[in-house]
Amino acid sequence: SAVISQKPSRDICQRGTSLTIQCQVDSQVTMMFWYRQQPGQSLTLIATANQGSEATYESGFVIDKFPISRPNLTFSTLTVSNMSPEDSSIYLCSARLRTIDSYNEQFFGPGTRLTVL
Amino acid sequence: QKEVEQNSGPLSVPEGAIASLNCTYSDRVSQSFFWYRQYSGKSPELIMSIYSNGDKEDGRFTAQLNKASQYVSLLIRDSQPSDSATYLCAVNSGGSNYKLTFGKGTLLTVNP
Repeated sequence: SAVISQKPSRDICQRGTSLTIQCQVDSQVTMMFWYRQQPGQSLTLIATANQGSEATYESGFVIDKFPISRPNLTFSTLTVSNMSPEDSSIYLCSARLRTIDSYNEQFFGPGTRLTVL
Repeated sequence: QKEVEQNSGPLSVPEGAIASLNCTYSDRVSQSFFWYRQYSGKSPELIMSIYSNGDKEDGRFTAQLNKASQYVSLLIRDSQPSDSATYLCAVNSGGSNYKLTFGKGTLLTVNP
């Protein structure tokens, strides 16, 4: 596995503002992912962030709303822009790790709990 | 639309019993299958991965995969109250994107 940290762990923000969430992995990884988990719901993939290329967004998510950076193999950021109360959610980053007997395991950071007033 | 279906539960079992969690998926070409445990207020924790048909055992956990039936299950033997959590089934359809599609999760309660 890997140690994945996220900052901030939680935040309360005002409508119309933006928040940048940071994700740090303790080893170099090619692929990182950003998910959203709304209260009582499962995980929904926002985008895939590969180092050295533009993030790939899932249907329903756009770069203007959720810009992502991936400056190196251990770090990524997700910005939630022009926030509204509907953006209140837990945002999770994950990293794909390849090990000797597996090739597609994803491990998650602790999440960022966002509340928009 | 790729779908992963799980019974939402709650599934309630007595301590020491076997808990059986089930998951079906719609994409026939799916190649990788995962079970995550998520405690309330915490992030998902990977507990099992399985890639080929059959059983895979790890301690008290056994994952079972049947690709012909598009079915994957997780058995928890000797269930403990600490196993009480939501269990998420996740599926990857292969290719170069490595994206996971998650089911909605099954809430398991183990009663002392």
